[in-house]
Amino acid sequence: DTEVTQTPKHLVMGMTNKKSLKCEQHMGHRAMYWYKQKAKKPPELMFVYSYEKLSINESVPSRFSPECPNSSLLNLHLHALQPEDSALYLCASSRPRGGPGNEQFFGPGTRLTVL
Amino acid sequence: AQSVTQLDSQVPVFEEAPVELRCNYSSSVSVYLFWYVQYPNQGLQLLLKYLSGSTLVKGINGFEAEFNKSQTSFHLRKPSVHISDTAEYFCAVSETANDMRFGAGTRLTVKP
Repeated sequence: DTEVTQTPKHLVMGMTNKKSLKCEQHMGHRAMYWYKQKAKKPPELMFVYSYEKLSINESVPSRFSPECPNSSLLNLHLHALQPEDSALYLCASSRPRGGPGNEQFFGPGTRLTVL
Repeated sequence: AQSVTQLDSQVPVFEEAPVELRCNYSSSVSVYLFWYVQYPNQGLQLLLKYLSGSTLVKGINGFEAEFNKSQTSFHLRKPSVHISDTAEYFCAVSETANDMRFGAGTRLTVKP
């Protein structure tokens, strides 16, 4: 299984809602990532988990809260978002060791719209 | 800190013509370079990567790239493109484990 899955594919939420994005992989990878991608822009790194511990937080606002409950799952909890948070949210995974040349495997993304 | 510059935001080309997508990188240490492709409404897929060794790297879908240390470049090439190659292409660089930075992207449009 060389796939990263993300649910839901699409999400529309109001600014007062609480929702969660889910990411799953069964490749035995121990590094998992959240990226945010605006239209016609490259992915921007948000968070990195390595061995289920948060290792990188790119100064992301606290209305985004990541969680890594086990080595296969990665969640992104959303609360009190703003319309400018509307974007494609991508999850990725890779082997954490073996040097920086590790390929990242990406999921298809969740298209988030904040009204 | 590492960074990449993709020199062309858009590249239109006719079907069966050759194409080159340009990427220059900036880094103070050894780097690892990648090309990813993103089709509309999808995630990113790895085309190829350079870690070490031969400077000519072959990837999937007939793409190849050449690492040129003196020019700090990693240009992507394909000798004959298809309509299905229309997509966004991202060059990326990694210096440290788990830290990958993407270029702004190049939109390749293949016309019949």
